[in-house]
Amino acid sequence: EVQLVESGGGLVQPGGSLRVSCAASGFTFSSYWMHWVRQVPGKGLVWVSRINSDGSTTTYADSVKGRFTISRDNAGNTLSLQMNSLRAEDTAVYFCARGLDMGYYFYGMDVWGQGTTVTVS
Amino acid sequence: QSALTQPPSVSAAAGQKVTISCSGSSSNIGSNYVSWYQQLPGTAPKLLIYDNNKRPSGKPDRFSGSKSGTSATLGITGLQTGDEADYYCGTWDSSLSAVVFGGGTKLTVL
Repeated sequence: EVQLVESGGGLVQPGGSLRVSCAASGFTFSSYWMHWVRQVPGKGLVWVSRINSDGSTTTYADSVKGRFTISRDNAGNTLSLQMNSLRAEDTAVYFCARGLDMGYYFYGMDVWGQGTTVTVS
Repeated sequence: QSALTQPPSVSAAAGQKVTISCSGSSSNIGSNYVSWYQQLPGTAPKLLIYDNNKRPSGKPDRFSGSKSGTSATLGITGLQTGDEADYYCGTWDSSLSAVVFGGGTKLTVL
């Protein structure tokens, strides 16, 4: 079964750091681009970051650029998001998602995890 | 404020058809591929449509997608109560170098 399972969410003080992870299984992780998307409960989806299949290319939303770092361990089938200098407005559920990106082109995200909650307070 | 504009809500009777619009610009929908997601209450989003009009395997053909210029549309026929959910459009924005989503549309099946 193709699956993504996030972990690492929790309560952190403003200015603090947190690392959330996403364990992938059931597919060849190293062949896919991966994304992080966040959602404040009751609000819409907001894209955070993406990384290409070998980890050499990363892209960030302006709101997190310079504070968040996306990375991946293809040997361990794990995606990570290191979040530093956290702000109250970073409070959200963080989803990892498998991308249907091919080079420059983004076609969608076809597998999503269940999300992990990050609260900055 | 989202880069893509969706109506906040739509409604239709069970068994009927509904369409959800997604309006963007030349830097996003106009030059990139659109995807659509369904988010049932309390769950993670699920992909409904990718590459403007393609359905993932296993998705019923009651769901369809189309794109024209800087707008896209999701169509759902044969509405069921289980279709009540939030629906989001998404695409790449070449000016922002970012994935952008619409604000979401809540579907109510009467």
